[in-house]
Formats: sequence, C-alpha cells, structure tokens
Amino acid sequence: QSALTQPPSASGSPGQSVTISCTGTSSDVGGYNYVSWYQQHPGKAPKLMIYEVSKRPSGVPDRFSGSKSGNTASLTVSGLQAEDEADYYCSSYAGSNNFDVVFGGGTKLTVL
Amino acid sequence: QVQLVQSGAEVKKPGASVKVSCKASGYTFTSYDINWVRQATGQGLEWMGWMNPNSGNTGYAQKFQGRVTMTRNTSISTAYMELSSLRSEDTAVYYCARMSGPNWFDPWGQGTLVTVSS
Repeated sequence: QSALTQPPSASGSPGQSVTISCTGTSSDVGGYNYVSWYQQHPGKAPKLMIYEVSKRPSGVPDRFSGSKSGNTASLTVSGLQAEDEADYYCSSYAGSNNFDVVFGGGTKLTVL
Repeated sequence: QVQLVQSGAEVKKPGASVKVSCKASGYTFTSYDINWVRQATGQGLEWMGWMNPNSGNTGYAQKFQGRVTMTRNTSISTAYMELSSLRSEDTAVYYCARMSGPNWFDPWGQGTLVTVSS
C-alpha cells in the first residue's frame, strides 16, 4: 500500500483560507469515507482534527473542515490564525483485508 | 480524561533491543486497539503495527516483521512495543495511539525518543 500524496508546503496570511490536498487511490481514499487528518506542532504529538472525511472531534474549531472528491481528500483551514502553523498529515482506511495504515507525507502549513 | 502516558527516553547501542510502555487511563483499556507510530527527526509518520488489548492479537507493518513485538498487561492497562536488532535508522520518536475508529487515532501518547548510537 503506497503512501498518500500531500503537497510538502502550503501557506496563507492571517484570516485567509488554505486547502491541503491528500491524493490516494480508489482502494483507499476513493473507496471509503474514512479519511482522517492530524495536526502536529513542533515537538508535540499529533492531534486528531478530522475523521470520517468531515467530522470534527469535540474541541476542534469549526475553522477546520474536511471534504473528499474521488480519490482526493482535502482539509480546509478558514480564518487562518498564527497557531494553525503546524504540520498536517492525512490517513485513509484501505479495507478490512488490509490492516495496514498509511499516512500522507505531511504538509507544512505556514501562516505568513 | 482519556490519556496515554509513555515511558521515558532511551539510549541504546546498535544491536540492542528497546521496550517502550504506554499506560492508558480514562477508558476501558481492552475496548480499543493500540497502534504504534514512529517519526524520525524531520520526517513523516510511519505506522508500525497494532495490538488488540483484549485478545492480544497483533498486526505488524511488513517493514518491521520479525523485529517488533507488541504486548500488553491488562491488569495495569499498559501496552508495550519492543523493537530488536536496533540500528541507527531506528532513532526516532515512538508514539502509541488509541484507534478510536476504523482508521483514526485519538488520543496519542506524548512520544518516547529512542536514540540508537554507539
């Protein structure tokens, strides 16, 4: 199972919106509504931000939203704030016969 | 609150083994799989495997087959990950994480730095 493809970097100014993509195949991203996104600040553990493509865990601001079209999932951060600067990783389910978990390579989000 | 607390940093010599612990609290330990993920400095997340604390069943990424062993002690709600035949490329932060759905992890432990150096 190959890793999911993310752009290495993304950026935006405070208050703007930025979208990070995560491209897989019909066997993972395109085949199931089980895409998740994680935020990781330097020196910290990853934090779940989105699960099941577009659901937010309790406590995650509604500025964070997720979507999917075909084999590509997206994370959108609206109203960018300085604290949103972090690395973001996507992950996708790939079927009950495949217990392996794959992550995207990560995207460094810079708030200008 | 739901929490995973990992053991402290380790320094090991090449060829040695390391065993990292992950103590769960705030939920029924046997109800959720525990996964292990590692991250080398400046690199992305790399999944290592999973363990069902109820049955003890495990599944490992092919890359680590034969070198990793995941176990648990249900009496103290603690999961363990042991990696053997360490080499310098195994230097990384190792995280445990609760699998809270078909593919999402929440929460994560704070991470354990394992340094392999002669």
